[in-house]
Amino acid sequence: DGGITQSPKYLFRKEGQNVTLSCEQNLNHDAMYWYRQDPGQGLRLIYYSQIVNDFQKGDIAEGYSVSREKKESFPLTVTSAQKNPTAFYLCASSPSRSYNEQFFGPGTRLTVL
Amino acid sequence: AQSVTQPDIHITVSEGASLELRCNYSYGATPYLFWYVQSPGQGLQLLLKYFSGDTLVQGIKGFEAEFKRSQSSFNLRKPSVHWSDAAEYFCAVGKPNTGTASKLTFGTGTRLQVTL
Repeated sequence: DGGITQSPKYLFRKEGQNVTLSCEQNLNHDAMYWYRQDPGQGLRLIYYSQIVNDFQKGDIAEGYSVSREKKESFPLTVTSAQKNPTAFYLCASSPSRSYNEQFFGPGTRLTVL
Repeated sequence: AQSVTQPDIHITVSEGASLELRCNYSYGATPYLFWYVQSPGQGLQLLLKYFSGDTLVQGIKGFEAEFKRSQSSFNLRKPSVHWSDAAEYFCAVGKPNTGTASKLTFGTGTRLQVTL
């Protein structure tokens, strides 16, 4: 089945540690996205990538970093510089940069203790 | 910049009753419009989308939405709600292709509770 996988489902880290969230898609989509979701705030865009080896900051990129070395993979690193990292993180992809419909993965809940 | 408003944070309806979830957007032209649904702890699933043409759009699970340009609205409706429809619903707006990435702006969501 084609889709987007995110791992792990739940992640716990101590304050001050960097952590990397995985996102893989086998839909052959060009574009990929990372969102952060907090209660009552909807989804906020962290980073997005239109093509391999290229990515742009979204609305809340501070304290996060990404890479896009392969078309199917778009990992997100939450660094120690992120002041409030506990949240639900969603990865999405879309068929091309010119097409707005996005498909979402199941999400990773990160808790920083 | 575009924005999306979902004025109802929480709605409760009885099973079998009709449903309307409101969505208003702010954008200088006709945007792409979407409704997504999210079950607790899960990702988002696309219910329906509007790009152009017929302003009444049919989606999955018996949902429909109507684009009203004069009101800058894209309200989601269902004639008869089922208990399994209990979830959070997000309206989203995207810019038509400008050669840049497909960036969506999401509303803050409406949580639907269904009573039996």
